[in-house]
Amino acid sequence: AQTVTQSQPEMSVQEAETVTLSCTYDTSENNYYLFWYKQPPSRQMILVIRQEAYKQQNATENRFSVNFQKAAKSFSLKISDSQLGDTAMYFCAFMKPWGAGSYQLTFGKGTKLSVIP
Amino acid sequence: GAGVSQSPRYKVAKRGQDVALRCDPISGHVSLFWYQQALGQGPEFLTYFQNEAQLDKSGLPSDRFFAERPEGSVSTLKIQRTQQEDSAVYLCASSLAASGRGDEQYFGPGTRLTVT
Repeated sequence: AQTVTQSQPEMSVQEAETVTLSCTYDTSENNYYLFWYKQPPSRQMILVIRQEAYKQQNATENRFSVNFQKAAKSFSLKISDSQLGDTAMYFCAFMKPWGAGSYQLTFGKGTKLSVIP
Repeated sequence: GAGVSQSPRYKVAKRGQDVALRCDPISGHVSLFWYQQALGQGPEFLTYFQNEAQLDKSGLPSDRFFAERPEGSVSTLKIQRTQQEDSAVYLCASSLAASGRGDEQYFGPGTRLTVT
């Protein structure tokens, strides 16, 4: 079974600064998908960024980027120029590859990020 | 168009009561997932539908939990004889395809169930 570990329960960052959230995972699969989801206090989960394991290039979405280290099974999220609206719970999630069963997400326990004005 | 909606947003049930939680996925989305999120935890998978077919129910914690999606759109999660450990937020998510190729899942706002 897959497991996802987020070792930082809470973090804070000054507005406009950069912060990195850590995530490690365990799997025997070779091809899979990794995600970072954001859950603001209103609780609707939204996708931040997505990475396909067979792509070596790290995914980037505006101020959000990942550092994907496949051999180390590490998938960290970097938020640049932090904004007050980035305050939320951030969940790292894993999805098995096509053909390996149903396509549910396996989530970590989350990191609560607070952006300080 | 509208996103995923869930109702009710809040539900208080006395222990032993039955509850039904509804999910309206994004129109045309083939895949539908239910997750359970305990306080301070990440969501945990309950069950998965592809259209009206329930392809995976391995995450349902007991036979008191039952889900259906009879016409391949709206889904209902039913919990019979609720227990205090059932208290959680129940999240529904849908995705456009059934390809399993890392499709984005769109989440609803959740139903917060409190069992007293």
